[in-house]
Amino acid sequence: QKEVEQNSGPLSVPEGAIASLNCTYSDRVSQSFFWYRQYSGKSPELIMSIYSNGDKEDGRFTAQLNKASQYVSLLIRDSQPSDSATYLCAVRWDSGYALNFGKGTSLLVTP
Amino acid sequence: DVKVTQSSRYLVKRTGEKVFLECVQDMDHENMFWYRQDPGLGLRLIYFSYDVKMKEKGDIPEGYSVSREKKERFSLILESASTNQTSMYLCASSFIGGTTWAFFGQGTRLTVV
Repeated sequence: QKEVEQNSGPLSVPEGAIASLNCTYSDRVSQSFFWYRQYSGKSPELIMSIYSNGDKEDGRFTAQLNKASQYVSLLIRDSQPSDSATYLCAVRWDSGYALNFGKGTSLLVTP
Repeated sequence: DVKVTQSSRYLVKRTGEKVFLECVQDMDHENMFWYRQDPGLGLRLIYFSYDVKMKEKGDIPEGYSVSREKKERFSLILESASTNQTSMYLCASSFIGGTTWAFFGQGTRLTVV
């Protein structure tokens, strides 16, 4: 059974700190990795995609991928209270069409 | 902007009713998906479609069927609604291709009483 695993949290960080969110996946040949943010009562929205080993930066967000360790992470620098949400890690298995989601990590940024 | 529109934001249905959830996307995406989201269980794939009239079962297809007669429209059907189908239902769409991501509709919160 292919799986995407995330710590459910809540992860609590003070405003201005770096939030680090982690995700592991079970399928070694997966090619595409995504981070979605979901505010309470809303639908998920894409914030980052990453396909190659290493880091990818977009503003305050950095996605990190290590395929050998089957590990993808999201760093949020200078965290703001508006970043408080659930962050979903999604993986597309190499042979598939659909995104497979972890259960999400709840992030709380305290003023 | 990509738009994925679900026909209802909230629905209340009775046990045993046949329920239709409709989803329309305006970006000419080949792929469309139906997920349900439950606390502690995350997003689970019910069905997806990669072309008109084509459908594939996801992880939890039991009790559901789907219809895709036009490229832009993907319907989820609960043949005989049960209380354990009370959930948030999310439609999504994407282009075909390994690096593309999915865009989500606003969700339908279905309550079966």
